Amino acid sequence: EIVMTQSPATLSVSPGERATLSCRASQSISSTLAWYQQKPGQAPRLLIYGASTRATGIPARFSGSGSGTEFTLTISSLQSEDFAVYYCQQYNNWPRTFGQGTKVEI
Amino acid sequence: QVQLVQSGAEVKKPGASVKVSCKASGYTFINYGISWVRQAPGQGLEWMGWSNTYRANTNYAQKVQGRVTMTTDTSTSKAYMELRSLTSDDTAVYYCGRDGGGYPDYWGQGTLVTVSS
Repeated sequence: EIVMTQSPATLSVSPGERATLSCRASQSISSTLAWYQQKPGQAPRLLIYGASTRATGIPARFSGSGSGTEFTLTISSLQSEDFAVYYCQQYNNWPRTFGQGTKVEI
Repeated sequence: QVQLVQSGAEVKKPGASVKVSCKASGYTFINYGISWVRQAPGQGLEWMGWSNTYRANTNYAQKVQGRVTMTTDTSTSKAYMELRSLTSDDTAVYYCGRDGGGYPDYWGQGTLVTVSS
């Protein structure tokens, strides 16, 4: 199965700063990557699919890039509501697999 | 609007089975698959499997293969996930998600399954 590795595990940033989260696949997955945001006690929310396409209603400050094995989620100017855990997921192969998550904290 | 509403929390004994339901509304049910994802307490997301609502075929994670059955009922727009031979390692919040392209774009609220003697 494809192993997804996210870094860093925890990212400490201040409101208004830029956050850059990384996700690496153990083999090429083209652009078949999604990003999710999860807040405590809530279900995940789809942010990005196709590595770079924002899902419906997702603010423009969220952007995704990359292809092959290296991917990045960038939050251009962190708002208070953006502090959460972020997961990447590949859907190129079965089984689908998630990264272990990056917690974005103040 | 798209909604997925899951059944309520369950407490089960080791060795028992649990069946979680997921009621879909706001879209044409057979046009999308349903994925199931679980999250153990304090842990990350774990993909469990996917069910094709139209052709009734499935794909399961190896970790639960042989213990899980995912089904759908197109007459009621409901999806089901049954997990058998439960152990404490199965204690988790179970989520269903509408899946049209390999990733869930809408999620249920989650169902907590606790396995305890």
